[in-house]
Amino acid sequence: GAVVSQHPSRVICKSGTSVKIECRSLDFQATTMFWYRQFPKQSLMLMATSNEGSKATYEQGVEKDKFLINHASLTLSTLTVTSAHPEDSSFYICSAPKMGDSGNTIYFGEGSWLTVV
Amino acid sequence: QKEVEQDPGPLSVPEGAIVSLNCTYSNSAFQYFMWYRQYSRKGPELLMYTYSSGNKEDGRFTAQVDKSSKYISLFIRDSQPSDSATYLCAPAPGGFKTIFGAGTRLFVKA
Repeated sequence: GAVVSQHPSRVICKSGTSVKIECRSLDFQATTMFWYRQFPKQSLMLMATSNEGSKATYEQGVEKDKFLINHASLTLSTLTVTSAHPEDSSFYICSAPKMGDSGNTIYFGEGSWLTVV
Repeated sequence: QKEVEQDPGPLSVPEGAIVSLNCTYSNSAFQYFMWYRQYSRKGPELLMYTYSSGNKEDGRFTAQVDKSSKYISLFIRDSQPSDSATYLCAPAPGGFKTIFGAGTRLFVKA
């Protein structure tokens, strides 16, 4: 079963509104999570690194005031797309590393489809 | 120059063929090399994971890393229609900040 859960899986919002996407690690704690965006037929582009208890680290070119990231607990990171516009429509995916005795593995969520109309 | 270069394809092969997927990278700091498979409209799933240079085999899948030439390969033997997906190479430095290649779309025809 999934070890990283994203919600909602699909969301449609009106232009100018804000939408929140949640990323949860289900059976492990993650001090760090990663948010990616993927446009159709393109690869995943890292947007930001979410750090529990501190500010997120954004990649070059990503507007931190537009894509608000909050990592309030060890199992939850949220991405809020503020004042969404149609060009923000995309597939948003989070990932979280799980530390284990046999090694560390990065797990990805199922993704969230955002459509801004 | 992009950090990771990968031919987006598409690559179309008949069932049973051996598939070779490749990437090149530019950052010498990359130590971990992953291959992910992504089905349409789904999140990526980890296929193979290797550390430093060498080969790793898992069933029909073999991953190769040549750090001297900064070249990463994934081989799929006896390819099946269910292998049709996008394959993303993903090298990473010591942490978990993964950089993805463009992804190669693979179609295996029955």
